[in-house]
Order: sequence, then structure tokens, then C-alpha cells
Amino acid sequence: GAVVSQHPSWVICKSGTSVKIECRSLDFQATTMFWYRQFPKQSLMLMATSNEGSKATYEQGVEKDKFLINHASLTLSTLTVTSAHPEDSSFYICSASAQPTTGLWGTQYFGPGTRLLVL
Amino acid sequence: AQTVTQSQPEMSVQEAETVTLSCTYDTSESDYYLFWYKQPPSRQMILVIRQEAYKQQNATENRFSVNFQKAAKSFSLKISDSQLGDAAMYFCAYRSAVSGTYKYIFGTGTRLKVLA
Repeated sequence: GAVVSQHPSWVICKSGTSVKIECRSLDFQATTMFWYRQFPKQSLMLMATSNEGSKATYEQGVEKDKFLINHASLTLSTLTVTSAHPEDSSFYICSASAQPTTGLWGTQYFGPGTRLLVL
Repeated sequence: AQTVTQSQPEMSVQEAETVTLSCTYDTSESDYYLFWYKQPPSRQMILVIRQEAYKQQNATENRFSVNFQKAAKSFSLKISDSQLGDAAMYFCAYRSAVSGTYKYIFGTGTRLKVLA
């Protein structure tokens, strides 16, 4: 149980285009989803926290107009990188946390990540 | 603000031997959660073990166990009978138990190499 998927796993795009990444909790309902960015050989950097049906909370220094997050349902969150530039190239990871009434609550379950390369 | 420190950037262990990865944290809270995650070369983050601060008993999961010392704010991970598949980055993470606070504070990670 507690499986999280991400799509696509790999994306290459041209500078100036937008890219959407989907994160789905497959076998549980996710009250809260998180989006991270990870640079090579570094730890995960939290970009934003999203709760179903409400606006995402962005970490300091993360441009909310650049990284649009939508958490439309209890099983789906999307991250859209708008007008992508080469400096946005990175590994993006989502995670999901279940509702407080479940035994999974408090633990984040991670998707497999998305490698974004902007040319 | 809470912090998590992993002081060992890299560790090596011989196959079948035991290795301990260290993690210390700083918090003024009394109730929280601690986690160890494994990130193999595929970069998929995998939950290894979870510990609730209110539980005195150390968590165990098969070959993985923790030494949770609340007063010392220490949370080390012991891997017994190390296997080649254990080679990965290991991240320690802290999460407050305060309602509405769900985000993790991650350490910088320890790269574990397993020698055949």
C-alpha cells in the first residue's frame, strides 16, 4: 500500500514552454501533497505544500507564478513549470500524506520523481 | 526552528557486516516523528523506518533498527547483515506532531557504500 506515481518520469522541453507534472496517490487519499526539487548529490528542497481544494503554500524563495501547483482532488496534484528555462532543469519529486484517520498519517510517501531538462 | 544533522557524508560497510548511520536533531517540541528514508540510484525515496517520539521502544524493520535517544536528540540507524542492495543515500527526517504542520526537515544525507 501507499503507492505514489508521477508522470512523466522524463521530460525534455524547449526554453519558454510550459511543462506539467502529475502526482497521484494510487491506493490512498492524500490530504496533503508536497513538491520537492533535488539537485545532484544534495538533499530534497521543499518547494511547496498543497492541500486538496486550497491554494498551495510556497516556501520562501520559490516563485509561485513560475511553479503552479494544483491539488484538485484527494488523489491528484499537478506541478506546472511555466516558461521553463535551462536553470529550471532538475529532478522534481512529489510526496503524499494520508488523512489523519488512517494509519498512514504523518508519513510522506514519495513518487519516483521526474527529470526535467530544458534546452 | 528545527534542524537535522547527518554528520557522515559517506560511510562504507563490508557485505554481511553491520553499520550505523548517525542523525541528530534540534527541537524544542516534545512530540514529533522521525524517519529514515533510503534513496537508491533510481532516486525513488523509500521509507525505511519511522519512530514516534512518544514511544520509548526503538522501531525495527527486519534488518533495520534505530537507536532513539530523546534526551540526547539522537536517532541513529543500524543496518545489520548489510547487503549490496542497501547501497544508497540515506536521509534522516523530522516532522512536528503539531496539528497543521506536516512538512519534513531533512538532513543532508549519508551515502552508504556496500563492499562485496
